Amino acid sequence: DGGITQSPKYLFRKEGQNVTLSCEQNLNHDAMYWYRQDPGQGLRLIYYSQIVNDFQKGDIAEGYSVSREKKESFPLTVTSAQKNPTAFYLCASRTGGRGYTFGSGTRLTVV
Amino acid sequence: QQQVKQSPQSLIVQKGGIPIINCAYENTAFDYFPWYQQFPGKGPALLIAIRPDVSEKKEGRFTISFNKSAKQFSLHIMDSQPGDSATYFCAASNPGTASKLTFGTGTRLQVTL
Repeated sequence: DGGITQSPKYLFRKEGQNVTLSCEQNLNHDAMYWYRQDPGQGLRLIYYSQIVNDFQKGDIAEGYSVSREKKESFPLTVTSAQKNPTAFYLCASRTGGRGYTFGSGTRLTVV
Repeated sequence: QQQVKQSPQSLIVQKGGIPIINCAYENTAFDYFPWYQQFPGKGPALLIAIRPDVSEKKEGRFTISFNKSAKQFSLHIMDSQPGDSATYFCAASNPGTASKLTFGTGTRLQVTL
């Protein structure tokens, strides 16, 4: 089955630690996106990539970094510079159309 | 700057009722307006989408109404069922921005028996 796989489902981060969230898709989609979801704030765009080896900042990129070395993979690193990282993180992909396919998300908690 | 405003924040209807969720946008360059459904702990799933050249689109029990002059669009769920209880997000995008979706803040719908 084609889809987007996000891992892990739950992740705990200690203060000052960098953590990486995985996003893999087998849909052969060109564009990939990372969104952050907080209660009452909807989904906010962190980073996006339209092609391999190219990515752009979204609305809330500070404290995050990404890479796009393969078409299938778009990992997100939450750095220690992100002061409030506790949230639900969603990865999505898109082919030539306008609709997104989302993964099941990673819930990150600072401990 | 919130470009898509969604209301209400939460909604409770009885089974068989017709919940209506409203969204308003500011950017006249938007030309694609999808609605997503999200269950707890899951990612959003595309329900239905509309473009501004039509005023209404139906897919099953879900209908989008679109008012271009008012820059508003809404989702109607006919004959709502308890299984429709979820959070619904409206969104919008324009072709000049890599089709980035701007989302509303979500509406939590509960359908009671």
